[in-house]
Order: sequence, then structure tokens, then C-alpha cells
Amino acid sequence: AQSVSQHNHHVILSEAASLELGCNYSYGGTVNLFWYVQYPGQHLQLLLKYFSGDPLVKGIKGFEAEFIKSKFSFNLRKPSVQWSDTAEYFCAVNQDSNYQLIWGAGTKLIIKP
Amino acid sequence: DGGITQSPKYLFRKEGQNVTLSCEQNLNHDAMYWYRQDPGQGLRLIYYSQIVNDFQKGDIAEGYSVSREKKESFPLTVTSAQKNPTAFYLCASSSSSRQPQHFGDGTRLSIL
Repeated sequence: AQSVSQHNHHVILSEAASLELGCNYSYGGTVNLFWYVQYPGQHLQLLLKYFSGDPLVKGIKGFEAEFIKSKFSFNLRKPSVQWSDTAEYFCAVNQDSNYQLIWGAGTKLIIKP
Repeated sequence: DGGITQSPKYLFRKEGQNVTLSCEQNLNHDAMYWYRQDPGQGLRLIYYSQIVNDFQKGDIAEGYSVSREKKESFPLTVTSAQKNPTAFYLCASSSSSRQPQHFGDGTRLSIL
């Protein structure tokens, strides 16, 4: 079955630390890749997306992600986190023309001030 | 502002009762989706609709039903056949399979 794996369910960092959240998927072929964020008390919103082209994509609030096709990975990074980055982060993948997104289980990120 | 409106925010169901969750969008999106979110499990797709008067089952459709009579609306009914309905339900929409999904604020359903 197709799946998306997020390796860390909980991550705790201090402000100014660097962040990398892992995401691996099991599809072959052309895929669309997304990272979403859910801040406390808010609805899910898009952080960034990859469809094609440059495998390093930049999103909102200083986040970026790198698509490595050979590793089936789409890891999320931020060089220096802030307390306001405390949230739950979800990776999601679909095959190119398939409306059905497959979601990872999410990573809860807590930033200590 | 354009967006997705889900109502109610909280809903309580008695045993054996059907309940309907509302989802309305004014983004002019063709596709709409219903997800269930449980702690530690991410989002699981219940139903989705690519166009009006058409919808498909997702991974966990048993015990749920939907309709898509209007482009703007995609209500979800949680039937008495759904044995574990307590969850957070999210509605989303998108303009195509390649475009990001936009989400509502969710409905939290609990069993009395």
C-alpha cells in the first residue's frame, strides 16, 4: 500500500536551533509533494509544495524542503527556529493526477523559548 | 474573504443517531474532500468529490455518506453504522489534483 512516513512524532528544540523533519514516501512515478502546518488553534495551511523543476523549494516563514527522488524523500528544513514555529507539521503526497492525498502521521514540534 | 466554512464547531451524537456536518466553500474549487483526524494518525480520507454530482470513497468510507448537489457544498453524514465516530473532521477543497488543498477549521464530534 502507498504510504508516507514521518520519522519523528515529537521534536523539541531550543530557539535558534536548526530543524530538519523527515518525510519518506512509497510511490513510484511522478508525485506532488506538500508540507502543511497546523498552528495551535488554527486550521491546516500550506507551508510549501513541489511539483517539478528545482528540487529545493522555499516556502513561507523561512522553511524549505528538498526533494530527493532517489531516496523518495522530501525533508523539511529551517536554519533557525523561533518559538512561533511551535506547531504540528504534516507531509502529504499524491500521484500526479490522483486527487487522493496520502498523509504522514505528523510531527509535533515544540520550541523552547 | 474566500475560504471554507465548517459547521458546527462542536457536535454531540447520541447512540444510533445520524448527524450531518456542513462544509461550504466560496473558492470556486471543483474538488472537495472530507478527512478524519485522530491523534497520532494524521489525516485519513473519508470521501472526495472531483465535480458536482460525483464522489468517490476514500480509505475509511464505511459508516459515512456524502452528497455533492452544488459546487459550493459537500455535507458529510456520520451514520449510526460508524462505530467509532468520535474524532475531528476536516473539510478541504482544491482547484485540481496538483494544487494545494485549503482547509476549514474542523468539526469535533463526540458521542454522548
